[in-house]
Amino acid sequence: SAVISQKPSRDICQRGTSLTIQCQVDSQVTMMFWYRQQPGQSLTLIATANQGSEATYESGFVIDKFPISRPNLTFSTLTVSNMSPEDSSIYLCSVVRATNEKLFFGSGTQLSVL
Amino acid sequence: GENVEQHPSTLSVQEGDSAVIKCTYSDSASNYFPWYKQELGKRPQLIIDIRSNVGEKKDQRIAVTLNKTAKHFSLHITETQPEDSAVYFCAASINGLTFGKGTHLIIQP
Repeated sequence: SAVISQKPSRDICQRGTSLTIQCQVDSQVTMMFWYRQQPGQSLTLIATANQGSEATYESGFVIDKFPISRPNLTFSTLTVSNMSPEDSSIYLCSVVRATNEKLFFGSGTQLSVL
Repeated sequence: GENVEQHPSTLSVQEGDSAVIKCTYSDSASNYFPWYKQELGKRPQLIIDIRSNVGEKKDQRIAVTLNKTAKHFSLHITETQPEDSAVYFCAASINGLTFGKGTHLIIQP
């Protein structure tokens, strides 16, 4: 499996501010995704991070709120913009190394918004 | 889009007994079905997966079965141990994974 590093691991933020989460993989991967896991809940796909082009967002998630970058095959960022307490969650980067291979998760970012 | 239902939400079994978690999916085009284990405060870890061209797969104490006709798949854990206590998620995939709501498995000593 790939080594997937995420930072920060946790943060406490004020309402109305923004936080950028970084995801670094130790090798080139085909696909990178961002998931959200609200407290005690399941995993919900936010978007697919596309290298060199705009991310593909799932229903209920928009670029203005969750801008995503993927400048190369090993790195992506997710920004949570204009945060409110409802954004308090764990945000997880995940990767698939090659087509039809398995999906692995990063260590996650625990976000609390006051 | 795909919809995945998972049951039960909580499962308590005696150590040494077997545990079974069941999932159903809605889209017959789904072709990949992984299971993840998530311990408290940790990332989900892939424990076993199955593709739609296979009916059963086993890895030591863990097995997964798939019934494509009925659109359901199950996780079987035999000889349960305390370290099996965790939340387990099933998922189904066409393009990207859709997860079930999770099963909190409790192993009673």
